[in-house]
Amino acid sequence: QVRLQESGPGLVKPSGTLSLTCAVSGVSITTSNWWTWVRQPPGKGLEWIGEIFHSGSTNYKPSLKSRVTISVDKSKNQVSLKLISVTAADTAVYYCARARDYADFPTWLDPWGQGTLVTVSS
Amino acid sequence: EIVMTQSPATLSVSPGERATVSCRASESVSVNLAWYHQKPGQAPRLLIYGASIRATDIPARFSGSGSGTEFTLTINSLQSEDFAVYYCQQYDKWPRTFGRGTKVEIK
Repeated sequence: QVRLQESGPGLVKPSGTLSLTCAVSGVSITTSNWWTWVRQPPGKGLEWIGEIFHSGSTNYKPSLKSRVTISVDKSKNQVSLKLISVTAADTAVYYCARARDYADFPTWLDPWGQGTLVTVSS
Repeated sequence: EIVMTQSPATLSVSPGERATVSCRASESVSVNLAWYHQKPGQAPRLLIYGASIRATDIPARFSGSGSGTEFTLTINSLQSEDFAVYYCQQYDKWPRTFGRGTKVEIK
């Protein structure tokens, strides 16, 4: 059974860097899957941030692209998210999820991690 | 980016009744559409992909239909565990986008 577990600091200062990891178990990160980050501000909807294939190929939401980096650590079977220059608008629950690969094309998200709340505040 | 518009924002339904949630895409996404539900304090869970294919272990009372720009999620005979927020998501083009959600609440 594939499981994803997010972890990282729950509080980040404005203008600082948000760094999260997603530990993947039950499947090697090098299989034909894309690893995705999605966030959800408190009381609001879901926002796709970006995704990565184990080869290093990435896709990012254009409005976040200048601030986001998603990477993989094959030795640890983990995916990481880094978001720089954060503001209060980046306060959200951050989820990692697997996007199934279909003909080299990332598709639906399943499963999802439980999510981790990151608050941006001084 | 493709805008996904869900309606209604809130749907009040009695247990045992049917709920229908609509999702419209601002341009065609073929059948590259998924539905998720999210219960309070939990992560979203995949219900439907390919617009109409039920995910593993999803009960038959959930069904999806549509293609192009118009999609529907139908939940027959609502159970207590079905009261949640439902989201559609397109995975046809980048960036991937979600609808704003439809809250299905107990009437």
